[in-house]
This record gives sequence, structure tokens and C-alpha cells, in this order.
Amino acid sequence: GENVEQHPSTLSVQEGDSAVIKCTYSDSASNYFPWYKQELGKRPQLIIDIRSNVGEKKDQRIAVTLNKTAKHFSLHITETQPEDSAVYFCAATDSGNFGNEKLTFGTGTRLTIIP
Amino acid sequence: DAGVTQSPTHLIKTRGQQVTLRCSPKSGHDTVSWYQQALGQGPQFIFQYYEEEERQRGNFPDRFSGHQFPNYSSELNVNALLLGDSALYLCASSLQRDLYEQYFGPGTRLTVT
Repeated sequence: GENVEQHPSTLSVQEGDSAVIKCTYSDSASNYFPWYKQELGKRPQLIIDIRSNVGEKKDQRIAVTLNKTAKHFSLHITETQPEDSAVYFCAATDSGNFGNEKLTFGTGTRLTIIP
Repeated sequence: DAGVTQSPTHLIKTRGQQVTLRCSPKSGHDTVSWYQQALGQGPQFIFQYYEEEERQRGNFPDRFSGHQFPNYSSELNVNALLLGDSALYLCASSLQRDLYEQYFGPGTRLTVT
């Protein structure tokens, strides 16, 4: 099955600076890579995703890059704000039976924005 | 447009007991996946239901079972509870034709004592 590793486990960034979180995956057949943000006591919320036919995707201050050859993908947050403080999870599809993909999650990164 | 809902919010059970958790998918979604999230960890896939059948299963024992109803809502049942079953149980809904975009419910916090 798929194995997803995520680094770093904690990250503190000065407000206004950029934050980068990296993930690697093991299954070369994986083709969808979402990022979720989870605030304390709340549900994971999808913030951005990328499919394997694209190398980069951007949505305002958030961007995701994918390197399929190296099997890694990264989340980039620019101009960080206090409300960006949360735990971020990367995930990758575990192909399993075609049409019944499930997500395998990383262990999370606790991002703290320092005012 | 109603999002994913789960009940109950919190639950406290004793070792050996059984528990049933409930999930209503986002309006228009037909597939429900269940995840277990232990404290400080990422969600771990338990199983997925579509057309009232279990379509895929993660590495969880048979004590974990589920059901999907004709209205696409779903239940997760856990028998013979262990202390290690204490976790946040998340339900995620999606469309079978596009399983990628999964939307999570608020979760049920289960504490086993």
C-alpha cells in the first residue's frame, strides 16, 4: 500500500514570511494529492489539491508543486497570516481497486505563525 | 447546501462495549469513507461504502463494521471496544465518479475507559 511521509512535524514562521511543507509518497500509481488544513477541534478542510498531470497549482497565497519522478510534493504558503496557524496534512491516493481510491495521509505539520 | 454531518459529537464508552457512529453525506454525494484519527496523527482509512456495499477496506480488524443506507447515509460500528479505539472518527463523502474530492464531517470523539 501507499506510504506518505511528511516533514517537518512542526514549523514556526514569522508573520508575512513563507512556509513550505514537504511530502513524499511510495506508490508510483498515485495520481491525486490533496492538502488539508485542520484547526484545533475541527474537521480537516481541503485547501488545495493537484493531479498527476499537472506540475504546479496556485490559489492566491497557496501553491502546491508535484515532482512525479522523485515522488514528492510540497505545499507553499506565502505572506503568512495568524489565521494560517493549524495542522496541515498531505495525502495521496492509494490506487487499490480502480475506481475505489482511498486517501493515505501524512502525519501532519503543526504550523505556527508568529505575529 | 448541507455539508457532511456526524452524530454524536462526543461519546464515552467502557472497554468491551459496542458503539455506533452515524454520518450523513454532503448533499448529492453517494460515497462515504470512514477514517480514524488518533491524537497527533493523520486520519487512517477504515473503509468505504458505495451502493450499500463495502468497496475497500484499510488495515482494521473485523470488530469494525459498517453499513450504508439507500439515502447514502452510513453507520460505523465497533464491537468489543479497546482503550486503543479512543480517537476522532471522521466520515468523508464524495462522488463515486470523482472520488478524489473528499469532504470531511466534524467527527465523533470516542473515548474508551
